[in-house]
Amino acid sequence: NAGVTQTPKFQVLKTGQSMTLQCAQDMNHEYMSWYRQDPGMGLRLIHYSVGAGITDQGEVPNGYNVSRSTTEDFPLRLLSAAPSQTSVYFCASSYKGGNTIYFGEGSWLTVV
Amino acid sequence: AQSVTQLDSQVPVFEEAPVELRCNYSSSVSVYLFWYVQYPNQGLQLLLKYLSGSTLVKGINGFEAEFNKSQTSFHLRKPSVHISDTAEYFCAVSANQAGTALIFGKGTTLSVSS
Repeated sequence: NAGVTQTPKFQVLKTGQSMTLQCAQDMNHEYMSWYRQDPGMGLRLIHYSVGAGITDQGEVPNGYNVSRSTTEDFPLRLLSAAPSQTSVYFCASSYKGGNTIYFGEGSWLTVV
Repeated sequence: AQSVTQLDSQVPVFEEAPVELRCNYSSSVSVYLFWYVQYPNQGLQLLLKYLSGSTLVKGINGFEAEFNKSQTSFHLRKPSVHISDTAEYFCAVSANQAGTALIFGKGTTLSVSS
């Protein structure tokens, strides 16, 4: 049981490059979310999903795409990275009928 | 829409002193409230959560919080802090118990000195 796994842990991108942050959970959780953490801003919700095939925007969705083709995976795509997307990204998952949220360990992204 | 305001960005305190970290929320629906702690260069750890029932919630590491619906607050307290409590603390609200789509406050940095 690996919990919530995020890859990569560290990444440096050049402005304009694209990349995907991977998030996988092996707990069969319906709910998954992506957050970004910036100094002085706390964590802000980017996108979330309540089940396979269902996604919705959070507080700061611009510049990010998501899809949920399987229950296990919830990748976050940056189509054209910008320096403003330099941040620490956290993925989370939870069971629809439960009350515990599981966070990944974070992915540190730097856009130069 | 939901929002969370953490009223203090930094709280300096001496070891063994009591501490209160303040959190106010707004929501048009039922709320479920959470406090998380983040130690330097680490991920998030759940301290405690209010889902229903008793308004006084006890968590890990000696922390507790009180849900006050009339004042829309969920303040975090500890009667005696240790150096090891130095960290950043986040209050968060969700519209469901499963914690989907958490809305976080901006955080409070607790600095405990000897």
